[in-house]
Amino acid sequence: EVQLVQSGAEVKKPGESVKISCKGSGYSFTNYWIGWVRQMSGKGLEWMGIIYPGDSDTKYSPSFQGQVTISADKSISTAYLQWTSLQASDTAMYYCARLKGKNYYGSGKGMYPDHWGQGTLVTVSS
Amino acid sequence: DIQMTQSPSSLSASVGDRVTITCQASQDISKYLNWYQQKKGKAPKLLIYDASKLETGVPSRFSGSGSGTHFTFTISSLQPEDIAIYFCHQYNNLPYSFGQGTKLEIK
Repeated sequence: EVQLVQSGAEVKKPGESVKISCKGSGYSFTNYWIGWVRQMSGKGLEWMGIIYPGDSDTKYSPSFQGQVTISADKSISTAYLQWTSLQASDTAMYYCARLKGKNYYGSGKGMYPDHWGQGTLVTVSS
Repeated sequence: DIQMTQSPSSLSASVGDRVTITCQASQDISKYLNWYQQKKGKAPKLLIYDASKLETGVPSRFSGSGSGTHFTFTISSLQPEDIAIYFCHQYNNLPYSFGQGTKLEIK
Protein backbone atom coordinates (compact mmCIF):
# COMPACT_ATOMS: atom_id res chain seq x y z
CA GLU A 1 0.00 0.00 0.00
CA VAL A 2 1.34 3.40 -1.01
CA GLN A 3 1.62 5.74 1.98
CA LEU A 4 3.00 9.21 2.50
CA VAL A 5 3.39 10.10 6.17
CA GLN A 6 4.14 13.69 7.06
CA SER A 7 5.75 15.10 10.18
CA GLY A 8 3.69 16.70 12.92
CA ALA A 9 2.35 20.21 13.36
CA GLU A 10 4.80 23.04 13.96
CA VAL A 11 4.31 26.29 15.88
CA LYS A 12 6.99 28.87 15.19
CA LYS A 13 7.74 32.55 15.65
CA PRO A 14 8.38 34.93 12.74
CA GLY A 15 11.99 34.72 11.60
CA GLU A 16 12.46 31.14 12.78
CA SER A 17 13.31 28.23 10.51
CA VAL A 18 11.52 24.91 10.07
CA LYS A 19 11.87 21.75 8.01
CA ILE A 20 8.89 19.43 7.54
CA SER A 21 9.09 15.94 6.13
CA CYS A 22 7.18 13.43 4.02
CA LYS A 23 8.14 9.74 4.20
CA GLY A 24 7.07 7.46 1.39
CA SER A 25 6.50 3.73 1.64
CA GLY A 26 4.90 0.93 -0.34
CA TYR A 27 6.48 1.95 -3.66
CA SER A 28 9.85 2.75 -5.24
CA PHE A 29 10.48 6.21 -3.77
CA THR A 30 13.23 7.10 -6.24
CA ASN A 31 11.06 6.50 -9.31
CA TYR A 32 8.26 8.99 -8.65
CA TRP A 33 8.24 12.78 -8.39
CA ILE A 34 6.99 14.24 -5.10
CA GLY A 35 5.27 17.60 -4.91
CA TRP A 36 4.38 20.08 -2.17
CA VAL A 37 1.07 21.95 -2.05
CA ARG A 38 0.03 24.81 0.24
CA GLN A 39 -3.49 25.32 1.53
CA MET A 40 -4.14 28.43 3.58
CA SER A 41 -7.07 28.30 5.98
CA GLY A 42 -10.35 28.13 4.10
CA LYS A 43 -8.60 28.63 0.78
CA GLY A 44 -7.67 26.67 -2.31
CA LEU A 45 -4.64 24.59 -3.24
CA GLU A 46 -1.36 26.07 -4.53
CA TRP A 47 1.58 24.18 -6.01
CA MET A 48 4.93 25.04 -4.45
CA GLY A 49 7.27 22.73 -6.33
CA ILE A 50 8.23 19.19 -7.20
CA ILE A 51 11.31 17.01 -6.73
CA TYR A 52 12.55 13.75 -8.26
CA PRO A 53 14.18 11.85 -5.39
CA GLY A 54 16.22 9.72 -7.80
CA ASP A 55 18.49 12.64 -8.71
CA SER A 56 17.04 15.55 -6.66
CA ASP A 57 15.98 17.43 -9.80
CA THR A 58 13.70 20.16 -8.43
CA LYS A 59 11.28 22.54 -10.08
CA TYR A 60 9.73 25.45 -8.15
CA SER A 61 6.58 27.39 -8.88
CA PRO A 62 7.54 31.03 -9.54
CA SER A 63 5.56 32.22 -6.49
CA PHE A 64 7.66 30.07 -4.16
CA GLN A 65 11.09 30.20 -5.85
CA GLY A 66 13.56 31.58 -3.32
CA GLN A 67 11.02 31.40 -0.49
CA VAL A 68 11.36 27.70 0.37
CA THR A 69 13.74 24.81 -0.27
CA ILE A 70 12.57 21.38 -1.40
CA SER A 71 14.95 18.46 -0.90
CA ALA A 72 14.94 14.68 -0.58
CA ASP A 73 16.99 11.93 1.05
CA LYS A 74 16.46 8.83 -1.04
CA SER A 75 18.29 6.65 1.49
CA ILE A 76 15.40 7.09 3.91
CA SER A 77 12.62 7.67 1.33
CA THR A 78 11.88 11.14 2.67
CA ALA A 79 11.19 14.49 1.05
CA TYR A 80 11.48 17.81 2.83
CA LEU A 81 10.15 21.35 2.69
CA GLN A 82 12.01 24.01 4.61
CA TRP A 83 11.98 27.70 5.40
CA THR A 84 14.91 29.71 6.79
CA SER A 85 12.90 32.71 7.94
CA LEU A 86 9.19 32.18 8.47
CA GLN A 87 6.57 34.88 8.16
CA ALA A 88 3.04 34.97 9.52
CA SER A 89 1.80 34.59 5.94
CA ASP A 90 3.40 31.12 5.82
CA THR A 91 0.74 29.86 8.24
CA ALA A 92 -1.01 27.10 6.33
CA MET A 93 -1.52 23.38 5.88
CA TYR A 94 1.16 21.81 3.69
CA TYR A 95 0.61 18.57 1.79
CA CYS A 96 3.05 16.34 -0.01
CA ALA A 97 1.81 14.20 -2.88
CA ARG A 98 3.24 11.48 -5.12
CA LEU A 99 3.04 12.24 -8.82
CA LYS A 100 1.94 9.46 -11.14
CA GLY A 101 2.08 9.34 -14.90
CA LYS A 102 4.54 9.97 -17.69
CA ASN A 103 6.74 13.07 -17.56
CA TYR A 104 6.60 14.01 -21.24
CA TYR A 105 9.79 15.66 -22.51
CA GLY A 106 10.80 16.32 -18.88
CA SER A 107 8.31 19.19 -18.89
CA GLY A 108 6.04 17.93 -16.14
CA LYS A 109 3.27 17.29 -18.66
CA GLY A 110 1.32 14.17 -17.81
CA MET A 111 2.09 13.78 -14.10
CA TYR A 112 -0.60 14.19 -11.46
CA PRO A 113 -0.87 13.59 -7.70
CA ASP A 114 -2.43 10.21 -6.94
CA HIS A 115 -1.51 9.75 -3.27
CA TRP A 116 -1.31 12.48 -0.65
CA GLY A 117 0.17 12.84 2.80
CA GLN A 118 -2.10 13.71 5.70
CA GLY A 119 -0.84 17.29 5.81
CA THR A 120 1.37 19.28 8.19
CA LEU A 121 0.00 22.43 9.80
CA VAL A 122 2.59 25.17 10.16
CA THR A 123 1.54 28.06 12.40
CA VAL A 124 3.68 31.20 12.56
CA SER A 125 2.75 33.62 15.31
CA SER A 126 4.53 35.97 17.64
CA ASP B 1 0.96 30.23 -16.15
CA ILE B 2 -2.33 28.47 -16.82
CA GLN B 3 -5.35 29.81 -14.93
CA MET B 4 -8.19 27.43 -14.06
CA THR B 5 -11.62 29.01 -13.64
CA GLN B 6 -14.02 26.73 -11.82
CA SER B 7 -17.75 27.28 -11.35
CA PRO B 8 -19.86 27.49 -9.38
CA SER B 9 -17.94 28.33 -6.20
CA SER B 10 -20.70 26.75 -4.12
CA LEU B 11 -23.64 24.52 -4.84
CA SER B 12 -26.56 23.22 -2.81
CA ALA B 13 -28.41 20.15 -4.06
CA SER B 14 -30.68 17.38 -2.80
CA VAL B 15 -29.82 13.73 -2.35
CA GLY B 16 -30.36 11.99 -5.67
CA ASP B 17 -29.81 15.14 -7.76
CA ARG B 18 -27.46 15.32 -10.72
CA VAL B 19 -24.68 17.78 -9.99
CA THR B 20 -22.38 19.41 -12.55
CA ILE B 21 -19.24 21.49 -12.03
CA THR B 22 -17.28 23.12 -14.83
CA CYS B 23 -13.65 24.12 -15.20
CA GLN B 24 -12.22 26.38 -17.91
CA ALA B 25 -8.51 26.54 -18.67
CA SER B 26 -6.87 29.75 -19.89
CA GLN B 27 -5.16 27.78 -22.67
CA ASP B 28 -5.37 24.36 -24.29
CA ILE B 29 -4.45 21.63 -21.78
CA SER B 30 -5.49 18.67 -23.95
CA LYS B 31 -6.73 15.89 -21.63
CA TYR B 32 -4.44 16.73 -18.70
CA LEU B 33 -7.05 17.49 -16.06
CA ASN B 34 -7.99 15.84 -12.76
CA TRP B 35 -10.83 16.21 -10.34
CA TYR B 36 -10.26 15.89 -6.59
CA GLN B 37 -12.60 15.64 -3.62
CA GLN B 38 -11.56 17.19 -0.31
CA LYS B 39 -13.59 16.46 2.79
CA LYS B 40 -13.27 18.69 5.84
CA GLY B 41 -9.93 18.28 7.57
CA LYS B 42 -8.66 15.70 5.06
CA ALA B 43 -6.23 15.60 2.19
CA PRO B 44 -7.60 15.73 -1.37
CA LYS B 45 -8.63 12.43 -2.93
CA LEU B 46 -8.20 11.68 -6.63
CA LEU B 47 -11.47 10.93 -8.43
CA ILE B 48 -10.81 11.49 -12.15
CA TYR B 49 -7.60 11.65 -14.22
CA ASP B 50 -6.95 12.39 -17.90
CA ALA B 51 -10.23 14.35 -17.88
CA SER B 52 -12.52 11.32 -18.00
CA LYS B 53 -10.86 8.25 -16.47
CA LEU B 54 -12.22 7.03 -13.15
CA GLU B 55 -9.61 6.30 -10.50
CA THR B 56 -9.71 2.75 -9.19
CA GLY B 57 -12.17 2.33 -6.34
CA VAL B 58 -14.11 5.54 -7.03
CA PRO B 59 -17.89 5.06 -7.37
CA SER B 60 -19.24 5.16 -10.90
CA ARG B 61 -21.65 8.01 -10.08
CA PHE B 62 -18.63 10.30 -10.54
CA SER B 63 -17.62 11.14 -14.11
CA GLY B 64 -15.65 13.68 -16.08
CA SER B 65 -15.58 14.91 -19.66
CA GLY B 66 -14.02 17.52 -21.88
CA SER B 67 -10.74 18.39 -23.55
CA GLY B 68 -8.82 21.46 -24.61
CA THR B 69 -10.10 24.29 -22.44
CA HIS B 70 -13.55 23.23 -21.24
CA PHE B 71 -14.18 20.42 -18.75
CA THR B 72 -17.14 19.08 -16.82
CA PHE B 73 -17.42 16.99 -13.67
CA THR B 74 -20.69 15.24 -12.86
CA ILE B 75 -22.15 13.36 -9.91
CA SER B 76 -25.07 11.43 -11.39
CA SER B 77 -26.95 10.90 -8.13
CA LEU B 78 -25.78 12.93 -5.13
CA GLN B 79 -25.21 10.98 -1.92
CA PRO B 80 -24.86 12.42 1.60
CA GLU B 81 -21.22 11.30 1.76
CA ASP B 82 -20.41 13.45 -1.30
CA ILE B 83 -20.43 16.61 0.82
CA ALA B 84 -17.00 18.09 0.18
CA ILE B 85 -15.07 20.65 -1.81
CA TYR B 86 -14.20 19.63 -5.37
CA PHE B 87 -11.17 20.93 -7.24
CA CYS B 88 -10.07 20.65 -10.84
CA HIS B 89 -6.33 20.49 -11.53
CA GLN B 90 -4.30 20.89 -14.73
CA TYR B 91 -1.06 19.00 -15.31
CA ASN B 92 -0.33 20.03 -18.88
CA ASN B 93 2.26 22.65 -17.91
CA LEU B 94 4.42 23.48 -14.96
CA PRO B 95 3.54 25.17 -12.71
CA TYR B 96 0.50 22.94 -12.27
CA SER B 97 -2.59 24.78 -11.06
CA PHE B 98 -5.91 24.13 -9.35
CA GLY B 99 -9.33 25.65 -9.77
CA GLN B 100 -10.66 27.69 -6.87
CA GLY B 101 -12.90 24.87 -5.67
CA THR B 102 -16.64 24.16 -5.50
CA LYS B 103 -18.19 23.68 -2.07
CA LEU B 104 -20.99 21.15 -2.36
CA GLU B 105 -23.72 21.09 0.28
CA ILE B 106 -26.88 19.09 0.77
CA LYS B 107 -30.13 21.04 0.52
